[in-house]
Amino acid sequence: DGGITQSPKYLFRKEGQNVTLSCEQNLNHDAMYWYRQDPGQGLRLIYYSQIVNDFQKGDIAEGYSVSREKKESFPLTVTSAQKNPTAFYLCASSVTSGNYNEQFFGPGTRLTVL
Amino acid sequence: QKEVEQNSGPLSVPEGAIASLNCTYSDRGSQSFFWYRQYSGKSPELIMFIYSNGDKEDGRFTAQLNKASQYVSLLIRDSQPSDSATYLCAVNKGRDAGGTSYGKLTFGQGTILTVHP
Repeated sequence: DGGITQSPKYLFRKEGQNVTLSCEQNLNHDAMYWYRQDPGQGLRLIYYSQIVNDFQKGDIAEGYSVSREKKESFPLTVTSAQKNPTAFYLCASSVTSGNYNEQFFGPGTRLTVL
Repeated sequence: QKEVEQNSGPLSVPEGAIASLNCTYSDRGSQSFFWYRQYSGKSPELIMFIYSNGDKEDGRFTAQLNKASQYVSLLIRDSQPSDSATYLCAVNKGRDAGGTSYGKLTFGQGTILTVHP
């Protein structure tokens, strides 16, 4: 079964803690993305990577960090510097060889700060 | 001005009617346009994409693109209660001068659609 997996589904964090959200894909996609969604809002891009060992900041990168050591994996760390981390986090992937590059999403991780 | 703006909603239509969802974008260089459906608590799923001016039909869904007016819409014919969801419009700028694909999508805020029996 090809697809994108995210874990955990729910995550609770105490203030001041760093947490890491996992994203894995077996679609052989080059590009991977992290989005944040707040209630009643669209998706905002945090970081994206179009190739292994390279990534770029999106619109709201402050307080987040990523790595891309393997094509299949793009973990997101929410650091204590992120002041309002409670949100729904979505990972996506796409090819980069085509013209249209539709993105496919994982099931998401819901992060709550206690 | 927001880069991608959707009609504010929420939109409520009776079962069997046509639902019309609208989206405008500010970057005239945008190349491809996507409609995603998102059920409450779930992740977005791709419904359609369009890149040429005109209409593109897939079953009960029709995407319409007018690049001159910077406008893209999604029509849902014979709306069903199962179509009740948030619909997200997303825009991609295509490729840069060097030919590298812009993978980034810019999303609108979404329109909540309710189809009532």
